[in-house]
Amino acid sequence: DADVTQTPRNRITKTGKRIMLECSQTKGHDRMYWYRQDPGLGLRLIYYSFDVKDINKGEISDGYSVSRQAQAKFSLSLESAIPNQTALYFCATSDPTGKDTGELFFGEGSRLTVL
Amino acid sequence: AQSVTQLDSQVPVFEEAPVELRCNYSSSVSVYLFWYVQYPNQGLQLLLKYLSGSTLVKGINGFEAEFNKSQTSFHLRKPSVHISDTAEYFCAVSPWMDSSYKLIFGSGTRLLVRP
Repeated sequence: DADVTQTPRNRITKTGKRIMLECSQTKGHDRMYWYRQDPGLGLRLIYYSFDVKDINKGEISDGYSVSRQAQAKFSLSLESAIPNQTALYFCATSDPTGKDTGELFFGEGSRLTVL
Repeated sequence: AQSVTQLDSQVPVFEEAPVELRCNYSSSVSVYLFWYVQYPNQGLQLLLKYLSGSTLVKGINGFEAEFNKSQTSFHLRKPSVHISDTAEYFCAVSPWMDSSYKLIFGSGTRLLVRP
């Protein structure tokens, strides 16, 4: 099983609908992140969380919200989806204190299409 | 603020030829440097990273990168590529003193290896 699991892997929805993307991890990392990938733009940070009580906005947080339900779970919500939120979304985790300093561990991505 | 530039959006190369993928960054503070690879329909996977020490870093699958502080570059190289190296490659930086360890990514370079 993957260490970082995202659901759903694919979702097609309509403009104005509420969508939630879920992420769970078994790595025991405190830090979790949501990134968005668009062709030609690389990955851009939406939100990140140090623990369940510490959530921070990234560079493109408008139109998104998050919830850190537990150390292992970090959800991304689009309250009212719009077509320019069509993208590939990645969840990631990190552990800055161990041998993997600085490294992010990614899920396999959730492809969202907003019609 | 930091930024990462990957000048080549696509690099076509023949199998067994050498390849170099270029990455330049801009930062007013010291940074950690990373290369990630994304195979089709998969998440990102760490190829290699530079935290400190030797400026020549070796990674998985025969890749290596050299940190050049004066030129603010971190180019990725492989002496002989395989068909299986076809993927998208992302360069990323993380500021040393930023406790969030969030990564700033370049726009990506698609490596296309032809037989």
